[in-house]
Amino acid sequence: EDQVTQSPEALRLQEGESSSLNCSYTVSGLRGLFWYRQDPGKGPEFLFTLYSAGEEKEKERLKATLTKKESFLHITAPKPEDSATYLCAVNFGNEKLTFGTGTRLTIIP
Amino acid sequence: KAGVTQTPRYLIKTRGQQVTLSCSPISGHRSVSWYQQTPGQGLQFLFEYFSETQRNKGNFPGRFSGRQFSNSRSEMNVSTLELGDSALYLCASTYTGTGLGYTFGSGTRLTVV
Repeated sequence: EDQVTQSPEALRLQEGESSSLNCSYTVSGLRGLFWYRQDPGKGPEFLFTLYSAGEEKEKERLKATLTKKESFLHITAPKPEDSATYLCAVNFGNEKLTFGTGTRLTIIP
Repeated sequence: KAGVTQTPRYLIKTRGQQVTLSCSPISGHRSVSWYQQTPGQGLQFLFEYFSETQRNKGNFPGRFSGRQFSNSRSEMNVSTLELGDSALYLCASTYTGTGLGYTFGSGTRLTVV
């Protein structure tokens, strides 16, 4: 069964302290890997799509990278407004996304 | 450009009742998917519709059903509600219909008492 695993479950950082979130997946015909941000009580907000190993995407303080077995979301010099749950999802070649359980990120001022 | 609109935003129902949730996709998007989000299970795929046809269904009991109309708007229905059906129900739409680039709505928070 196709699976997506995110780590850590929760991460607390001081403002300005850079770190990375991990998303690993079973290797079976990945058609796309997606990163979303979700704030409490809201729907997931799209951040990035990655399609092939070696691909990288950047947006403000966030950078997503992809290898054959995992993806990283790097957060550089985070601010309190970056606090949210970050979700990774994979399309394995059908009409659905398989989500990880997310990383709850808290940035302390 | 209007986003994905879900109504209602909040619902409280009693066990045994049924409920219908509505989703209006982004204009031009023909594929609509539904997901259930709970603290314990995360986001779980319910079903996907494209041009009024259900193309894929997740591992949920038959009490969960859906449909899509000719204008791409979609509804999902849950019959004989159970306490465990309490969740945030999210709708997502995309133009390509290939499972890529989904935009999510804000969800409907269903509470079953």
